[in-house]
Amino acid sequence: GENVEQHPSTLSVQEGDSAVIKCTYSDSASNYFPWYKQELGKRPQLIIDIRSNVGEKKDQRIAVTLNKTAKHFSLHITETQPEDSAVYFCAASNAGNMLTFGGGTRLMVKP
Amino acid sequence: GAVVSQHPSWVICKSGTSVKIECRSLDFQATTMFWYRQFPKQSLMLMATSNEGSKATYEQGVEKDKFLINHASLTLSTLTVTSAHPEDSSFYICSALGPMSSYEQYFGPGTRLTVT
Repeated sequence: GENVEQHPSTLSVQEGDSAVIKCTYSDSASNYFPWYKQELGKRPQLIIDIRSNVGEKKDQRIAVTLNKTAKHFSLHITETQPEDSAVYFCAASNAGNMLTFGGGTRLMVKP
Repeated sequence: GAVVSQHPSWVICKSGTSVKIECRSLDFQATTMFWYRQFPKQSLMLMATSNEGSKATYEQGVEKDKFLINHASLTLSTLTVTSAHPEDSSFYICSALGPMSSYEQYFGPGTRLTVT
């Protein structure tokens, strides 16, 4: 089955700096890669996603890049703000639509 | 659009009893729903895939006789934790495949289960 690894597990940045979270996946058949933000006790919130036919996608301060050959994808957050502090999860799914999640990254943005 | 609800939001039960958690798609029909479990400070782990009108598909290591899933309609899936034990205490989250996309999953708000 699919295995998704996520790094780092914790990330502390200064407000205004950029944050980068990286994930690797094992199943070359995976074709959908969403990123979620989860606050304590809340549901995961989709912040951006990318399909395997695209190499990069951007939405305001958030961008995702995908390297299918190397089987890794990354989340980039620019101009971080304190409200960006949360746990971020990457995930991968294949045609069966089952999501396999990475281990999560706790992002702390210091004002 | 594409709102998923769960009920209850939290529940406390005694060891040995059963608990039912409901997952509803409020404004769309969901042929496929998923159930996840999340322990404190850990990631979401898929427990099972629930398809309307058919038996659920369980992930390896998940006991199908302990976690009963019923997807009897296009808007409702239920998870029953039978003979609950303290180690079943967790955050249970459902999701549904969205109406417009064959990829995006819409998550419910989760149910915090505490077994005493």
